[in-house]
Amino acid sequence: DAKTTQPPSMDCAEGRAANLPCNHSTISGNEYVYWYRQIHSQGPQYIIHGLKNNETNEMASLIITEDRKSSTLILPHATLRDTAVYYCIVRVNDKIIFGKGTRLHILP
Amino acid sequence: ETGVTQTPRHLVMGMTNKKSLKCEQHLGHNAMYWYKQSAKKPLELMFVYNFKEQTENNSVPSRFSPECPNSSHLFLHLHTLQPEDSALYLCASSQDPSPRGANVLTFGAGSRLTVL
Repeated sequence: DAKTTQPPSMDCAEGRAANLPCNHSTISGNEYVYWYRQIHSQGPQYIIHGLKNNETNEMASLIITEDRKSSTLILPHATLRDTAVYYCIVRVNDKIIFGKGTRLHILP
Repeated sequence: ETGVTQTPRHLVMGMTNKKSLKCEQHLGHNAMYWYKQSAKKPLELMFVYNFKEQTENNSVPSRFSPECPNSSHLFLHLHTLQPEDSALYLCASSQDPSPRGANVLTFGAGSRLTVL
């Protein structure tokens, strides 16, 4: 089973920031948090990962709390093309295990 | 194009057929993976290969037979499948599957399998 908990779905208005939360309260000190997304019927796409510090790349920002028990993925200016299922992942016994993710709907 | 190529993209087969799915990665990665995604279900990890050696078999039925001849190619041989095996089969690769480092997977577009 996945070691993360995410809301099943979220809505966000186009042009606004989308903030996707994830709980990973059992994460150990040396485990990374990974985010992927899957647009309908395509292969998952890597977005970002982090260990302790906040991270930013061209796609998104990742905010990890100081106790590392939760994180937030931020899409700064959501577009319709960001409609997808977003997965927050922490390795389970060294394996990348996907949960159900959050289905993000971008509203025009 | 992600650097991981899967063929065929679509496959329809009968329960008595034998077919194979192919995956090729052009990224110089060391590890390759097969995942299964059934309708409205999360991805399920099936097999992991690290430097051509199988390191994970997630209780997959023997009618699915993986083959990894080298670090760039991965096959999934299919025989006597059941209709419930119809799913999207996804291949992925990564550079460093070790527990200490970050392990970022690059996925292919998937092979959509329908078993009649």
